[in-house]
Amino acid sequence: NAGVTQTPKFQVLKTGQSMTLQCAQDMNHEYMSWYRQDPGMGLRLIHYSVGAGITDQGEVPNGYNVSRSTTEDFPLRLLSAAPSQTSVYFCASSSGQSRAFFGQGTRLTVV
Amino acid sequence: KNQVEQSPQSLIILEGKNCTLQCNYTVSPFSNLRWYKQDTGRGPVSLTIMTFSENTKSNGRYTATLDADTKQSSLHITASQLSDSASYICVVSATGTYKYIFGTGTRLKVLA
Repeated sequence: NAGVTQTPKFQVLKTGQSMTLQCAQDMNHEYMSWYRQDPGMGLRLIHYSVGAGITDQGEVPNGYNVSRSTTEDFPLRLLSAAPSQTSVYFCASSSGQSRAFFGQGTRLTVV
Repeated sequence: KNQVEQSPQSLIILEGKNCTLQCNYTVSPFSNLRWYKQDTGRGPVSLTIMTFSENTKSNGRYTATLDADTKQSSLHITASQLSDSASYICVVSATGTYKYIFGTGTRLKVLA
């Protein structure tokens, strides 16, 4: 039981490049979400999913896409990276209103 | 607007001392309040979860309290250890939603 696994841990992108942050969980949780964490700010919700095939926007969705083809995986796609997307990204999963499990984070730098 | 405010922003204490962190929220309708510990460079880890009807919950040396009337919560750390050095984040969710409102955290440093 690995919990929530995020890859990669670090990434440097050039402005305009695209990439996908991977997130996988092995706890059969229906709810998965992506957050970004910036200095001096609380974690902000980017996108979330309440089950396979269902996704919705969070607080800061612009510039990001998600899909949920399986219960286990919830990838986050940056379509055209911008310096404003430099941040630490966390994926989380939970079941109902139980405690959420977070991945170790992906530190993304866009130059 | 749903908000979660934490204080102090940062705190330094000596090993073995106790401390209390504060969380005020305006999230409505209230569902539950969680405290997370986030070590530097790691993801948050859950410490406690409290619903409307609970006013205290403990997890080892961590004790969280909740006053739903005043919309305040506190996290008390007893006999602090060096490993308690981390950010402590208060998170509140509203009824009928999967969305969580995160506070900005209190950065605690425990010195030997």
